[in-house]
Amino acid sequence: GENVEQHPSTLSVQEGDSAVIKCTYSDSASNYFPWYKQELGKGPQLIIDIRSNVGEKKDQRIAVTLNKTAKHFSLHITETQPEDSAVYFCAADDRGSTLGRLYFGRGTQLTVWP
Amino acid sequence: DAGVTQSPTHLIKTRGQQVTLRCSPKSGHDTVSWYQQALGQGPQFIFQYYEEEERQRGNFPDRFSGHQFPNYSSELNVNALLLGDSALYLCASSSTGVGSPLHFGNGTRLTVT
Repeated sequence: GENVEQHPSTLSVQEGDSAVIKCTYSDSASNYFPWYKQELGKGPQLIIDIRSNVGEKKDQRIAVTLNKTAKHFSLHITETQPEDSAVYFCAADDRGSTLGRLYFGRGTQLTVWP
Repeated sequence: DAGVTQSPTHLIKTRGQQVTLRCSPKSGHDTVSWYQQALGQGPQFIFQYYEEEERQRGNFPDRFSGHQFPNYSSELNVNALLLGDSALYLCASSSTGVGSPLHFGNGTRLTVT
């Protein structure tokens, strides 16, 4: 099956700085890559996703880039705010299927200091 | 518009017991997936239900079983609980077809003592 690696495991930034989280995947057939934000006591919340026919996608302060050749994708958060503090997970789908099976990374604890 | 709802929010069971967790999908969704999230880890896929049938299964033993009802709600059953089953159990719903993202509930925190 798919194997998703995520780095770093923890990330601390000053408010207003940028944060970057990187993930790699192993199965070249994967073609859907969502990012989830999980706050304490809550379930993961989808914040942005990208498909393999797109190299970059942006939504306000959040952007995701995908390099299919190198099999890695990254989350970029600009102008970070304290409310961005949470655990972020990257994921990849199961060989491009529509069955909803996702393989998750181990998460990045992002802390934004005021 | 209600999102994915799960019950109960917390549960404490003793080793060897059985547990049932419940999930109502987001309005308009017909597919339910269950994930297990151990402390400090990413969610791991248990199985998925569509049209009241298990459509795909992850690497979990037969002690884990499920059911989907005609109204698309779902149950996760775990028999013969082990200490290692302690985790956050997440339900996620989606609609059939390419491109439907998963929406997660807030989970049920199961503690096995």
